[in-house]
Amino acid sequence: KQEVTQIPAALSVPEGENLVLNCSFTDSAIYNLQWFRQDPGKGLTSLLLIQSSQREQTSGRLNASLDKSSGRSTLYIAASQPGDSATYLCAVRDDYKLSFGAGTTVTVRA
Amino acid sequence: GAGVSQSPSNKVTEKGKDVELRCDPISGHTALYWYRQRLGQGLEFLIYFQGNSAPDKSGLPSDRFSAERTGESVSTLTIQRTQQEDSAVYLCASSLAGLGNTIYFGEGSWLTVV
Repeated sequence: KQEVTQIPAALSVPEGENLVLNCSFTDSAIYNLQWFRQDPGKGLTSLLLIQSSQREQTSGRLNASLDKSSGRSTLYIAASQPGDSATYLCAVRDDYKLSFGAGTTVTVRA
Repeated sequence: GAGVSQSPSNKVTEKGKDVELRCDPISGHTALYWYRQRLGQGLEFLIYFQGNSAPDKSGLPSDRFSAERTGESVSTLTIQRTQQEDSAVYLCASSLAGLGNTIYFGEGSWLTVV
């Protein structure tokens, strides 16, 4: 059974600092990995999808890397803003389902 | 529609009552998922539909839970004889067929059983 772990569970940084969020998974036979954002009381917003054949994916200030062989992904958010405050979830797809981590809750202080 | 649409957005029900939650996926998306997220916990897979194939119901927690999908469109998740532990947000998601596609989630239906 796929196990997904996200560290740290919570993170508080001052505005402008870069964010580094970590995700690890136990079974490297995945199709892809997806990063989501969840705001309080809201659903999930897809941020980035990185295929198993890719090493990284970028969208604006967001960059996700994937090292499938070691079972790790990292989400980098450059120049953080208060609006980046949310919970970030990592999910891996090794069949048609997604297996989720518990998330990292980020607070960006103005 | 532009995104995955779920209704109701909020539901408060008495213990023992039945509830129905509805999901309208993105047009053209043949894959549809239901997940549950209890307060402070991670997402649990409930059920998966793909086109006209038999659904994967392996995540349904008990026989009080059931789901249907009409063709490749609307899905309904039904919880019978609700219990307090059913209180959670129920999230629906959809995607195009194929394992390389992005999965998109709705805003969720927040269920409180009192």
